[in-house]
Amino acid sequence: QQQVKQSPQSLIVQKGGISIINCAYENTAFDYFPWYQQFPGKGPALLIAIRPDVSEKKEGRFTISFNKSAKQFSLHIMDSQPGDSATYFCAASGSNYQLIWGAGTKLIIKP
Amino acid sequence: EAGVAQSPRYKIIEKRQSVAFWCNPISGHATLYWYQQILGQGPKLLIQFQNNGVVDDSQLPKDRFSAERLKGVDSTLKIQPAKLEDSAVYLCASSLSRSSGANVLTFGAGSRLTVL
Repeated sequence: QQQVKQSPQSLIVQKGGISIINCAYENTAFDYFPWYQQFPGKGPALLIAIRPDVSEKKEGRFTISFNKSAKQFSLHIMDSQPGDSATYFCAASGSNYQLIWGAGTKLIIKP
Repeated sequence: EAGVAQSPRYKIIEKRQSVAFWCNPISGHATLYWYQQILGQGPKLLIQFQNNGVVDDSQLPKDRFSAERLKGVDSTLKIQPAKLEDSAVYLCASSLSRSSGANVLTFGAGSRLTVL
């Protein structure tokens, strides 16, 4: 019940296309859902986060869509660029603030 | 603002040897985390400190791993003796406080350990 399941494991998208990464959780007590971006040789960095009181949050080309009833949330990257090529992790936490991480999605944007 | 500093960046040792990693968090960050990231997997929390006290070390293999955060600032993570399966990147992260830990974790670049 503590797991966060992330898919796909890897994703190849053409430059200018939309990248979509999905995550599902089971613990309804989770109340914070961040996405982290990790480039090779670097630590993860917070990209965008959402709380379950909203269904969508947008920051530039990055959007989180949140479906509370389905216990799913997704990251959409609009107009994907080669610089977006990285590994993306979803995560979730509840009242103990302990982040539960997805397994990651390796995104490659083809020029 | 300076980031989270970690050293060494790379370390190669033979099994049964020992290794130590050092982390200097962002100034003023009370909460410090050590994560293990095996290639192709998400980070796994090893230990979490609030100031110099341990908040959670439930996933730390205590028979071989130890960590300390003296004076609530720098931290060291030690592995002794190392096993082949310890080959991973060891990430240090910090946040303002435990309650803000759910908001933003700032990670260092990591220390890559290879055990031969």
